[in-house]
Amino acid sequence: AQTIHQWPVAEIKAVGSPLSLGCTIKGKSSPNLYWYWQATGGTLQQLFYSITVGQVESVVQLNLSASRPKDDQFILSTEKLLLSHSGFYLCAWSLDWGGAGAEQFFGPGTRLTVL
Amino acid sequence: GDSVTQKQGQVTLSEDDFLFINCTYSTTTYPTLFWYVQYPGQGPQLLLKVTTANNKGISRGFEATYDKGTTSFHLQKASVQESDSAVYFCALVPGTGGYKVVFGSGTRLLVSP
Repeated sequence: AQTIHQWPVAEIKAVGSPLSLGCTIKGKSSPNLYWYWQATGGTLQQLFYSITVGQVESVVQLNLSASRPKDDQFILSTEKLLLSHSGFYLCAWSLDWGGAGAEQFFGPGTRLTVL
Repeated sequence: GDSVTQKQGQVTLSEDDFLFINCTYSTTTYPTLFWYVQYPGQGPQLLLKVTTANNKGISRGFEATYDKGTTSFHLQKASVQESDSAVYFCALVPGTGGYKVVFGSGTRLLVSP
């Protein structure tokens, strides 16, 4: 069975500090991977997607970057946090067919608070 | 561009009431449409998926029909339970074979016993 793990579960960080969030998918080879941001009580905003190792596409510009160093790992980072980065960060995967038209499986998320 | 609109921010019902959540979309493609449900503190999970090929989805008592004429994709359930309380998101994937997903703003459902 496939499992998706996100770390850390929650973070409290200062404005201007760096950030690194991680996501690992086990039990599925070559998945499509996605990062989403969700403000409290808000919608899901797709940030990045990756269809293969080393390739990441940006969907919106929020002073964040993403990398896929391994087939099963997706990293979200920034060198300098803003207050507006606070929210819930979700990693998701989908099967490698039909683009994003396949069902997406979401991880448990990371709650980020920037003070 | 592609967009999804959910005008109902919150719906409050009693158990056994009929549920109807409105979703309309805009795209120049033939999209795939989804309903996701999110419980507090969790990631969303798929409730329904509908394509131009099948037009209708049914899962766990929920039903959604894809109407190209009115560009709508409403969610219905005949009799809600307290356990259905959650946030429901309509989502669109444009029919261009890409990887972008557009989510609606979400509708919070509160069901009282």
